[in-house]
Amino acid sequence: GAVVSQHPSWVICKSGTSVKIECRSLDFQATTMFWYRQFPKQSLMLMATSNEGSKATYEQGVEKDKFLINHASLTLSTLTVTSAHPEDSSFYICSARVTPRTEPFYGYTFGSGTRLTVV
Amino acid sequence: AQSVAQPEDQVNVAEGNPLTVKCTYSVSGNPYLFWYVQYPNRGLQFLLKYITGDNLVKGSYGFEAEFNKSQTSFHLKKPSALVSDSALYFCAVRAQPNTPLVFGKGTRLSVIA
Repeated sequence: GAVVSQHPSWVICKSGTSVKIECRSLDFQATTMFWYRQFPKQSLMLMATSNEGSKATYEQGVEKDKFLINHASLTLSTLTVTSAHPEDSSFYICSARVTPRTEPFYGYTFGSGTRLTVV
Repeated sequence: AQSVAQPEDQVNVAEGNPLTVKCTYSVSGNPYLFWYVQYPNRGLQFLLKYITGDNLVKGSYGFEAEFNKSQTSFHLKKPSALVSDSALYFCAVRAQPNTPLVFGKGTRLSVIA
């Protein structure tokens, strides 16, 4: 089945540093990747949509200069949290749209998430 | 605009009893509806989806959901709950292809032995 591998699973970084989160589609081509953020005990909030080879589309209120998204290939999308601060601490999840030709078709597959803690 | 409502923050059920996790949706056009489960510090695992066809959808781990167009609902059900079913459940909807899923706020299911 379609699998998205997300790394790292968790990361602790100092305030002011940058952190890169990777999502790789292992056995299919992910032309579209969605990035979500989840606060404790809350739902997933869409941050941005990235399409391979083009600029990401950010949701209202999401700082594009802070959350840099790169989707340079059909199998890799990255989210870089720049100059991280404690308020950026959260759980970040990527999701790729699975095309009908990929079995089993269930629409979307999710990475396992990255727990970011900024100290 | 699309939206999903999960009216219950928490559902408690005894092991062996049937469980229901409620979901209602609002979307223009035909909805694509999904249920996902999330365990602590993990990503989302797909349970089932409704695209078209039979209103009763059967999914993973014995879960099923019934699409009710008139009530705009897609409640998740299981005839006999297990302690291992305890997790956070999300209902999601999408109306158009290539658009992201819109999630409900989630319902925490607690199955008590």
